Amino acid sequence: DGGITQSPKYLFRKEGQNVTLSCEQNLNHDAMYWYRQDPGQGLRLIYYSQIVNDFQKGDIAEGYSVSREKKESFPLTVTSAQKNPTAFYLCASSIATGTGVYTFGSGTRLTVV
Amino acid sequence: DQQVKQNSPSLSVQEGRISILNCDYTNSMFDYFLWYKKYPAEGPTFLISISSIKDKNEDGRFTVFLNKSAKHLSLHIVPSQPGDSAVYFCAATNSGGSNYKLTFGKGTLLTVNP
Repeated sequence: DGGITQSPKYLFRKEGQNVTLSCEQNLNHDAMYWYRQDPGQGLRLIYYSQIVNDFQKGDIAEGYSVSREKKESFPLTVTSAQKNPTAFYLCASSIATGTGVYTFGSGTRLTVV
Repeated sequence: DQQVKQNSPSLSVQEGRISILNCDYTNSMFDYFLWYKKYPAEGPTFLISISSIKDKNEDGRFTVFLNKSAKHLSLHIVPSQPGDSAVYFCAATNSGGSNYKLTFGKGTLLTVNP
């Protein structure tokens, strides 16, 4: 079955540490996205990538970094520069058309203590 | 600057009745709209979409209506079931644009009471 996998589901880190969230898809989708969900804030776009080795900043990219070395993988690093990293992070993918429906992963809950 | 607005944070309905979730948008370039459903601690799942060339799209119990002049869309669920209880996100995009970004609203929590 094709799908998109995020790991781990829960992640705890100490303040000041960088942490990388994994996102892998086997849907053969060209485009991938990272969103952050906070209570009352909906889904806010962090970074997106439309093709391998290329990615663009979303609306709230500060304190985050990504890479897209393979079509299947789009890891997100939450750096120590991110002021409020505790959140629910969602990865998604889609075909590269304007009406491509996103397929979402099940999310990673990051808690910084 | 919120381009997609869901002004009702929550909605409660009785099982068997109609649920109506509303969404407004401000960007005139948006021409494709989607609704996603999300359960706690899970990723959103696609529910239904509509192109701006239509004013209605129906899929089983779910119907989306689009009023382009008012920049308003609504999702109707008839009849509502307890399993429909979830957060519903409205999303919009410019299908002819150079990227495939979706802009999401803040979501509406629907509770269907047995």
